[in-house]
Amino acid sequence: EPEVTQTPSHQVTQMGQEVILRCVPISNHLYFYWYRQILGQKVEFLVSFYNNEISEKSEIFDDQFSVERPDGSNFTLKIRSTKLEDSAMYFCASSEARGGGEAFFGQGTRLTVV
Amino acid sequence: GENVEQHPSTLSVQEGDSAVIKCTYSDSASNYFPWYKQELGKRPQLIIDIRSNVGEKKDQRIAVTLNKTAKHFSLHITETQPEDSAVYFCAASIVGGGADGLTFGKGTHLIIQP
Repeated sequence: EPEVTQTPSHQVTQMGQEVILRCVPISNHLYFYWYRQILGQKVEFLVSFYNNEISEKSEIFDDQFSVERPDGSNFTLKIRSTKLEDSAMYFCASSEARGGGEAFFGQGTRLTVV
Repeated sequence: GENVEQHPSTLSVQEGDSAVIKCTYSDSASNYFPWYKQELGKRPQLIIDIRSNVGEKKDQRIAVTLNKTAKHFSLHITETQPEDSAVYFCAASIVGGGADGLTFGKGTHLIIQP
């Protein structure tokens, strides 16, 4: 069964450093998303991406965040200057339909900022 | 934007009994309502979803009901088993246009007592 894959599974970084989280969505999906889950809290929408551009972003997705689809398979989330409060599980998701319909999640990258 | 409220935050039931989790949403344009199950340390996994053109959907021991007038939807699990223990998230979105991302509720920690 096809699935969304994310790397790395765990990333530890120093405050102020840049991190890139990587995702390979399901191959026939057209809509890609990043979500964040702070430990013990709900899943929060960050950004959606379609046709090589951002289609929607939340208030959380400020100027320190960016997304890119550098080739035909990868989808990346970059955090330019990490803060302690960026520590969370970051989930990539993909779907065939716009609006998150039947979105499939990757296993997540746990980001720890120290 | 959309706001999804979910309750209870914790639900403990005896094995074999039924469990009901309820959610309300604020945006009347929302038309897609998935439920995700998240086991500890794992990704959210879609277990059932419902679209606004139906009032109820069932899949074995799991059912979801939707009341568009009242803007609430519920997850029903019958004959609960130990493997049903997890955190359950409801979500809402607008498939086919408008907001792209899923808006999640805060989650319900379901505990199945043996």
